[in-house]
Amino acid sequence: NAGVTQTPKFQVLKTGQSMTLQCAQDMNHEYMSWYRQDPGMGLRLIHYSVGAGITDQGEVPNGYNVSRSTTEDFPLRLLSAAPSQTSVYFCASSYLSRGGNTEAFFGQGTRLTVV
Amino acid sequence: AQKVTQAQTEISVVEKEDVTLDCVYETRDTTYYLFWYKQPPSGELVFLIRRNSFDEQNEISGRYSWNFQKSTSSFNFTITASQVVDSAVYFCALATHYTGANSKLTFGKGITLSVRP
Repeated sequence: NAGVTQTPKFQVLKTGQSMTLQCAQDMNHEYMSWYRQDPGMGLRLIHYSVGAGITDQGEVPNGYNVSRSTTEDFPLRLLSAAPSQTSVYFCASSYLSRGGNTEAFFGQGTRLTVV
Repeated sequence: AQKVTQAQTEISVVEKEDVTLDCVYETRDTTYYLFWYKQPPSGELVFLIRRNSFDEQNEISGRYSWNFQKSTSSFNFTITASQVVDSAVYFCALATHYTGANSKLTFGKGITLSVRP
């Protein structure tokens, strides 16, 4: 079982470059999210989606775009990379069960450095 | 607005000691979900437990136990007889109860636990 797959695992960008972090899940989960993790800050929500075609902003959305054209994929786009976007990025998926909200299933993370 | 506070930032214990990780949360919702995740040095996030706000029964699973108290808005996690492999960052997280809410977790800043041999 693949679960949530993020690519790439590591990336170095130059300031001003753009790129897309890929996230795919094979569990048919409705909900997907992107978080960034910075030292001493925990994980903070960037964008999230409650289904294909539906996305919304989280706590720290500036400088990032997302789209959800399929249930499986939820790519995160950096429009013009800045050093402040140096971070570890996690993609997560989850679903609503009869017992309520389930735990989030996380990808392995992408470590991004912007120089 | 929701908030999760993990006041402890770093804890260091000697192997076989018991250790409790504190978590205090704030939410205006009457139905919500609390989670604990572990992040070992390898970096992945490992789910440990989920607790619903309407279920205050505390739980023990092996060396792990959880104490959920709505009266004090706390959801504490205890490791009994700690081991070196327990060394990790531990995150407490909160989600409210509406469709899709578990796509919007609020995390604490994490507690770095070091277990020395």
